[in-house]
Amino acid sequence: AQKITQTQPGMFVQEKEAVTLDCTYDTSDQSYGLFWYKQPSSGEMIFLIYQGSYDEQNATEGRYSLNFQKARKSANLVISASQLGDSAMYFCAMREGSTGTASKLTFGTGTRLQVTL
Amino acid sequence: NAGVMQNPRHLVRRRGQEARLRCSPMKGHSHVYWYRQLPEEGLKFMVYLQKENIIDESGMPKERFSAEFPKEGPSILRIQQVVRGDSAAYFCASSPTRTYNEQFFGPGTRLTVL
Repeated sequence: AQKITQTQPGMFVQEKEAVTLDCTYDTSDQSYGLFWYKQPSSGEMIFLIYQGSYDEQNATEGRYSLNFQKARKSANLVISASQLGDSAMYFCAMREGSTGTASKLTFGTGTRLQVTL
Repeated sequence: NAGVMQNPRHLVRRRGQEARLRCSPMKGHSHVYWYRQLPEEGLKFMVYLQKENIIDESGMPKERFSAEFPKEGPSILRIQQVVRGDSAAYFCASSPTRTYNEQFFGPGTRLTVL
């Protein structure tokens, strides 16, 4: 089974609108972390937001928020007030295990977001 | 405060040659991770190193690939006798400690094997 599933290969959103990028994960660990990264066409990986499995509040960073539903094992990224510069690939990733025991990230296949005028 | 540096940014090799990819982590970071991204795919973990130690190499192909992170100098990912299937973007990430949440990524090295 895929550990990280991103079911939307591509998404379109109009400028200034909000968009949700889906991510579901699969793990048997109680302690884990979920990440979102942005990869623009220039290729670099930009960290956006992090959610720990024990965090009670949904993470927020500026226009980015993470809709964390633990029982459903989903960690969707919400981008509010989309901007043209948000056009990029977006990757969801997970780090399993207690902090300090397993540090590698497992990535999904990504969602390509295109922001239109 | 420089970020993670990788060089070269682009590398072209012919089949059978060796490729050496370098990664200098952020200042104060002693943990380095290498990931590979094949075209139109997500990143796949290869190896995790701490200074002078390989902590986890579960994602490294058993043959032709090796990695090191010496006490002094950058981390090196070495690919011997490259084949066309090695063409990919190779990303290095660093973190200050094993428990730090964020991994800071470098710009990547794009390897093309002719």
